[in-house]
This record gives sequence, structure tokens and C-alpha cells, in this order.
Amino acid sequence: DIQMTQSPSSLSAYVGDRVTITCRASQTIRIYLNWYQQKPGKAPNLLIYAASSLHSGVPSRFSGSGSGTDFTLTITSLQPEDFATYYCQQSYSAPLTFGGGTKVEIK
Amino acid sequence: QVQLVESGGGVVRPGRSLRLSCAASGFTFSTSAMHWVRQAPGKGLEWVAVISDDGSNISYQDSVKGRFTISRDNSKNTLYLQMNSLRAEDTALYYCAREYIAMALAATACDFWGQGTLVTVSS
Repeated sequence: DIQMTQSPSSLSAYVGDRVTITCRASQTIRIYLNWYQQKPGKAPNLLIYAASSLHSGVPSRFSGSGSGTDFTLTITSLQPEDFATYYCQQSYSAPLTFGGGTKVEIK
Repeated sequence: QVQLVESGGGVVRPGRSLRLSCAASGFTFSTSAMHWVRQAPGKGLEWVAVISDDGSNISYQDSVKGRFTISRDNSKNTLYLQMNSLRAEDTALYYCAREYIAMALAATACDFWGQGTLVTVSS
């Protein structure tokens, strides 16, 4: 199975900060990497698919990059509604696997 | 609009069975692959299983293989998860999710999720 490692597991940031979350796969997954946002008590929302494609309706301050084994999610100017937990997921091969999550908190 | 509504969760003793359902509406269910994803209380997301649009292709997480069965009834727009030999570690909120396919990239993701149904396995 492909292991997904996210870092950091949590971070504190101010509104307006640039935030970067990384995700590393245990083997190459080419571009098959998705990012989700989850707020407390809610289902996850798809942000980015195929490493860098912004899902419909997602603000342009979110962006993704990477290929192979190393990926990043960047939020260019953190907004109050962005405080949440973010997960990466590989869709390269079954069993699909998620990273452990990154909780973004208000500083 | 797309709606996914899970049901069938509850409290069950270890070793017993439970069947979850996910009623879909607002899209053509029969042309979408579907997933089950779970989340233990206070923990991260764990993918459970996927079924193709016509039910011919299925994959499972290793920890549920042989105990869980994913299925679908396209005439009823409903996805199922039959869970047998339940264990304490199966305790989680179970989400169903629709698979999105980015054809040009041959990439998939889960673009719509239900609100989940809670399964608690406890003696």
C-alpha cells in the first residue's frame, strides 16, 4: 500500500499569511494527488485534484503543485474560513490512502 | 443539486453485522463510481471501498477485505456497505462519496460527500 505522509500535523497562522502544507508519497504516484478541506462536524470538500487542478468553486488563493512523490498545498492569503483540517489523498492505486491531516489554527 | 444521504448506522456488538445505505439524487447515479470513506472519532480520514458505475469493479481497504461488501442498486440510486464481523476498530463515521473523473488527466477524486452515518461497535 502507498503511504502518505503530511507535514506539519498542525500549524498556527494569522489571517493573511501564506501557508504551505506538504505531502509525501512512499512511492511515485505521478500526479494522482488530491487535497481536501474538512471543517469540524462537516464532510470533507474537494479543493485540488490531479496535484494542481483547482476544483470548481474553490477560491484561487488555493493552489497545488508537485508530481512523483512530493506535493504541496499553498494558501496564498489565509482567510478566516480557511481554518480547518487539510488532507491529501493518493488516487494512483487502490487501496486509496489519505495523509494524516494538517490542522490549520488561528494564531 | 447533488445529494448523498447515508443511513443505517447505530450501536452494534462486536462480531455482529450492519448494512449502511447511501441514497443518491441530483445526478445520474448509474454513471458514477462511488466510494465509502470512514473517520474514527477525532481521527483522520480512511478510505474503505470503491465500486464502479456498473458494479463490475470493486476494491477494498485491506483491513475490511473479507468482512465488508460494497454494492449498489442503480435502479434505486442507492449504494450499500454490508459490514460483517464488526470490530471495535470499525467504530467511525461512514461517508459515501461520488467519484469525479477528470477525463483529460485520467484522474479521479471524491467531489461530493454525504454527511455520514455513525457506526459504534461496542460490547
